[in-house]
Amino acid sequence: ETGVTQTPRHLVMGMTNKKSLKCEQHLGHNAMYWYKQSAKKPLELMFVYNFKEQTENNSVPSRFSPECPNSSHLFLHLHTLQPEDSALYLCASSHPKRDRGLYEQFFGPGTRLTVL
Amino acid sequence: ELKVEQNPLFLSMQEGKNYTIYCNYSTTSDRLYWYRQDPGKSLESLFVLLSNGAVKQEGRLMASLDTKARLSTLHITAAVHDLSATYFCAVEGRGSQGNLIFGKGTKLSVKP
Repeated sequence: ETGVTQTPRHLVMGMTNKKSLKCEQHLGHNAMYWYKQSAKKPLELMFVYNFKEQTENNSVPSRFSPECPNSSHLFLHLHTLQPEDSALYLCASSHPKRDRGLYEQFFGPGTRLTVL
Repeated sequence: ELKVEQNPLFLSMQEGKNYTIYCNYSTTSDRLYWYRQDPGKSLESLFVLLSNGAVKQEGRLMASLDTKARLSTLHITAAVHDLSATYFCAVEGRGSQGNLIFGKGTKLSVKP
């Protein structure tokens, strides 16, 4: 596997279910991100982890719970979601270039989530 | 609060024509990124612009950055159908640790 992978690619869940999204990066990066992409809004940053530490939480409801056990893996735990949470959830990773502090992000294929 | 605006949001053009997509942002930023997204797929990095006056070209696409005007452009030359996709610009705020703010995207459709 190369790049950033996400599983599952598609997920349908009821509002009372608990599920988890998984992201794995094979790029040796040290920062990982969760984004939400829905039809009505721009790409929204949800969470940022740098060296396994959460550095950003953009006012995301507590029904979304991230977990970053190591620099290569990122999870998004889901529980009691609402239909409006249906969206494409994208994971990304980055690594600052030492000479420029550059944070170009590389994205996974996403998980298409539908909440019934 | 950093805001990023793209226009147009939808663009239908004929093959062989030229056009420009604009990306304006509201506060000072050091770096700007352009991404491409095909339907049902993830985002692919196209360009990273690091400084005022930066210009990068790849095939029929050319991106430029004017940090004083807080404006980036993505110019399409002699469009072909394969360029049909949604194009996003994203801005990294000054002092940011890599948190990008994305525009809404420009959905480009190139017709024969």
